[in-house]
Amino acid sequence: NSKVIQTPRYLVKGQGQKAKMRCIPEKGHPVVFWYQQNKNNEFKFLINFQNQEVLQQIDMTEKRFSAECPSNSPCSLEIQSSEAGDSALYLCASSQGSGNTLYFGEGSRLIVV
Amino acid sequence: GQQVQQSPASLVLQEGENAELQCNFSSTATRLQWFYQHPGGRLVSLFYNPSGTKHTGRLTSTTVTNERRSSLHISSSQTTDSGTYFCAISPGANTGKLTFGHGTILRVHP
Repeated sequence: NSKVIQTPRYLVKGQGQKAKMRCIPEKGHPVVFWYQQNKNNEFKFLINFQNQEVLQQIDMTEKRFSAECPSNSPCSLEIQSSEAGDSALYLCASSQGSGNTLYFGEGSRLIVV
Repeated sequence: GQQVQQSPASLVLQEGENAELQCNFSSTATRLQWFYQHPGGRLVSLFYNPSGTKHTGRLTSTTVTNERRSSLHISSSQTTDSGTYFCAISPGANTGKLTFGHGTILRVHP
């Protein structure tokens, strides 16, 4: 069973508000991923880290998304100014390495009203 | 970019029936995972199976790498198998990014 912990499970934000989600990866897993799953079951890779360093990220051209994985603190994903289209399930996953199995948390469901 | 096609899109079974879920992908996959998503949202890894056949309980995954396809067989289905099953691939061993299919929604009736 996965031991990736995501908080909060649900968050409701008004348009323009900040939304912040946190993730504690499995112990011993240096690689962390964030995905967005929309209501059509489409997954969008957002960013991944190895330890505190960004490995890959999409072109967050809107500059509304930011993420970090500081040492000795939970990883986080923040949306600076929420929009209705950001409503989705945000999934965090961790693995022992880029070529290894990914283990997912329960997700944080964001609803932007 | 990579594409992952899953079929069928949905499937309804009576308890005890078997199910065969298919995954076809457009490029070489060095990593292939099958996931089950609970209705509540958690994605559970079922198999990491880039090639060959693996079994666990009532589940069997078979990946034929050079034909770019994988299948998930569920035998003697139970109502608790209901949920969405996803296939996901990544092309290289040194990239963690997975491309997901759209999933197969399975409903098992008692």
